[in-house]
Amino acid sequence: GAVVSQHPSWVICKSGTSVKIECRSLDFQATTMFWYRQFPKQSLMLMATSNEGSKATYEQGVEKDKFLINHASLTLSTLTVTSAHPEDSSFYICSASRRQGNQPQHFGDGTRLSIL
Amino acid sequence: DAKTTQPNSMESNEEEPVHLPCNHSTISGTDYIHWYRQLPSQGPEYVIHGLTSNVNNRMASLAIAEDRKSSTLILHRATLRDAAVYYCILRDVDSNSGYALNFGKGTSLLVTP
Repeated sequence: GAVVSQHPSWVICKSGTSVKIECRSLDFQATTMFWYRQFPKQSLMLMATSNEGSKATYEQGVEKDKFLINHASLTLSTLTVTSAHPEDSSFYICSASRRQGNQPQHFGDGTRLSIL
Repeated sequence: DAKTTQPNSMESNEEEPVHLPCNHSTISGTDYIHWYRQLPSQGPEYVIHGLTSNVNNRMASLAIAEDRKSSTLILHRATLRDAAVYYCILRDVDSNSGYALNFGKGTSLLVTP
């Protein structure tokens, strides 16, 4: 069964709305989680690294004030897309791994975000 | 992390073996070779990984060249559910950049009945 749960699966909302996406590790603690974005027919692009109890690390070109990340517990990270616009429409995916080293990453099923 | 090169697409008949190649000529001694796949409208799924020796699991086999500059993911009997984009990714075991994966374009596998 799934070890990383992502919610919601899809969101359709009006421009200017803020949208929160949750990522939970179901049977393990994850001090680090990752958020990716995927546009149609493109590969996954890392947006940020979510660190439990500290600030997230953002990739170059990703606005930290627009994509707010909170990792308040060892099993939950949230990504909030603030004041979303049509260009933010994308497939957002989170991942986590059980521990350090070369353990597999477990991915959520993704959130399809459509901004009208 | 070192770069990988994969064919954009491949096609296979159902119930036949599939060999998905990956070139990684700049691989370092501490790079593990990981394979993930992404089914349509889903998050990626771990398939297999290895360092030097060939690896087998319930999903697939990973054949690693002796010089480690290339590898091949082997699906022994392709099914329609194996149609996905397959990503070959190198991960440096000593990397301090966390465990994020650097996804290339991958190989889109089409399986036909």
